[in-house]
Amino acid sequence: DIQMTQSPSSLSASVGDRVTITCRASQSIDSYVNWYQQKPGKAPKLLIYVSSSLQSGVPSRFGGSGFGTDFTLTVSNLQPEDFATYYCQQSYGSPYTFGQGTKLEIK
Amino acid sequence: EVQLVESGGGLVKPGGSLRLSCATSGFSFSDYTVNWVRQAPGKGLEWVAYIRVRGTYTSYADSVKGRFTISADNANKSLYLQMDSLRAEDTAVYYCARTVSTGWGGYFDYWGQGTLVTVSS
Repeated sequence: DIQMTQSPSSLSASVGDRVTITCRASQSIDSYVNWYQQKPGKAPKLLIYVSSSLQSGVPSRFGGSGFGTDFTLTVSNLQPEDFATYYCQQSYGSPYTFGQGTKLEIK
Repeated sequence: EVQLVESGGGLVKPGGSLRLSCATSGFSFSDYTVNWVRQAPGKGLEWVAYIRVRGTYTSYADSVKGRFTISADNANKSLYLQMDSLRAEDTAVYYCARTVSTGWGGYFDYWGQGTLVTVSS
């Protein structure tokens, strides 16, 4: 199975900050990484697909990049509604494994 | 509007069975792959299984293989997960999610609200 290692596991930041979350795959997965946001008690929400494509309706302050084994999610100009948990996911091969999550908290 | 609505969760004893349902609407069900994804309390996301509705190809996580069965009813636009030989570690919120295919892989663009399964004596 392809392992996805996300870092950091938690992160404190302030409104207006720029943050970066990284995800490393245990093998090359081309660009097949997706990013999701999850708020407590809610279903995950797709933000970014195929490494860098922004899902319709998602604000442009969210951005993704990477190829091969190393990927990043960047959130610029943090807004209060962005404080949540973020997950990467590989869709290169079954099982479609997720990273362990990064909890973004208000400083 | 695309919607996925899960039902069927509840409390079940270890070794017992439960059948989850996911009613869908707003899209051509037979054209998609649909998944079950679960989340244990306070933990991360774990993909469980998928089915390609047209052709009925299925795939399972090793943790549930041989115990869980995913199926789809195209006429009713519904997804199911038959869960047998349940264990305490199967306790989780179970989500259904639609896959948009992107050549090699895909991404989960719509999710249901989830249904809680608790396995406990």
